[in-house]
Amino acid sequence: SQQGEEDPQALSIQEGENATMNCSYKTSINNLQWYRQNSGRGLVHLILIRSNEREKHSGRLRVTLDTSKKSSSLLITASRAADTASYFCATAFKAAGNKLTFGGGTRVLVKP
Amino acid sequence: DVKVTQSSRYLVKRTGEKVFLECVQDMDHENMFWYRQDPGLGLRLIYFSYDVKMKEKGDIPEGYSVSREKKERFSLILESASTNQTSMYLCASRRTGFNYGYTFGSGTRLTVV
Repeated sequence: SQQGEEDPQALSIQEGENATMNCSYKTSINNLQWYRQNSGRGLVHLILIRSNEREKHSGRLRVTLDTSKKSSSLLITASRAADTASYFCATAFKAAGNKLTFGGGTRVLVKP
Repeated sequence: DVKVTQSSRYLVKRTGEKVFLECVQDMDHENMFWYRQDPGLGLRLIYFSYDVKMKEKGDIPEGYSVSREKKERFSLILESASTNQTSMYLCASRRTGFNYGYTFGSGTRLTVV
């Protein structure tokens, strides 16, 4: 089964609203990463949060990590139509030699 | 602009053909990866390489092989293509170390007929 599971599977919001998606995982991790994928294209690395960090920001992105609950959230503030994409969390966990395991993704639609 | 380049965006092959998917990176990364992406199954790791001529099986290596003769190039080989290998194939590279992200190519959408 997948190491990371995103919730919700799909999200539809109006431009200007915030979008929040969550990721849960099962085993101890070195870091957790978020990626964006525009339709039919490759994934783009957004942000990496280490296991000893609790929160990280990058532009309009805010990521939190709660290792006690084995969960992370990605918040996109003031969303734009260009944020329409699928968002994936990926975990690098210690037992797997730091290879990334991806969740199933959250499809985000930002309506203008 | 640093990047990972996959040789084809779209590819159509016949069942039983030997198929080569090429991936080249210009970032001098040690680690390279091949994933396939299918609806409902997410991204699954096929093979990866952490150095020239080194390869390791991922989660779904059956029916595939890889070649890494040069640091910048990682090839995925479908020995005898089958219809269940119709998929989006994604190549990625990463610098060695615990806390680096992956750089992905644009993907190759392979259809086996």
